[in-house]
Amino acid sequence: DAGVTQSPTHLIKTRGQQVTLRCSPKSGHDTVSWYQQALGQGPQFIFQYYEEEERQRGNFPDRFSGHQFPNYSSELNVNALLLGDSALYLCASSSFGLAGEITDTQYFGPGTRLTVL
Amino acid sequence: AQKITQTQPGMFVQEKEAVTLDCTYDTSDPSYGLFWYKQPSSGEMIFLIYQGSYDQQNATEGRYSLNFQKARKSANLVISASQLGDSAMYFCAMREGRTTGKLIFGQGTTLQVKP
Repeated sequence: DAGVTQSPTHLIKTRGQQVTLRCSPKSGHDTVSWYQQALGQGPQFIFQYYEEEERQRGNFPDRFSGHQFPNYSSELNVNALLLGDSALYLCASSSFGLAGEITDTQYFGPGTRLTVL
Repeated sequence: AQKITQTQPGMFVQEKEAVTLDCTYDTSDPSYGLFWYKQPSSGEMIFLIYQGSYDQQNATEGRYSLNFQKARKSANLVISASQLGDSAMYFCAMREGRTTGKLIFGQGTTLQVKP
């Protein structure tokens, strides 16, 4: 049973560039959430995708955008990178039940470590 | 106001002993979920244990148990018989309501197990 996978593992970019991170959810899951974890901090919720739409969004600027594909995989895009965007980006997958309630724990991938120079 | 508070930045425990990691939370929603995750230095967030707000019993998963005191809004993680591989960062997290996937995390506690 494949868990959550993310690519790439590490990424180095310069200020002003754009980056795309990828995530494939755990088998059987249809919902993907993205989190940003700065060094020494707990993860912060960026947004969540379900049925190819952004279902919920945290307090992040519009430079952060995402997409979910029909196979439930997802991308996180960050434009106009800032030094402060350097962080570990975590993807988590889960599923919603028929009544719209969360039915499963969020399982996380190994993360993508982004360094902005 | 912080919704999840972990007051212990770092903890030490002797191998084979038990250790309790503290977590308090704040919410007005009667339906919520509480989670504990382990994050080794590799970075992956590993799910340990879950407690629902309506669960009558404290959750247990192997060597992990959750001491859930609803009136005090605390959800402490107890690790029994500590092992060297338990050395990691531990995060308490909360999901408010049943239709949101957003997890709110605490600042974490670094646990070091001594041989």
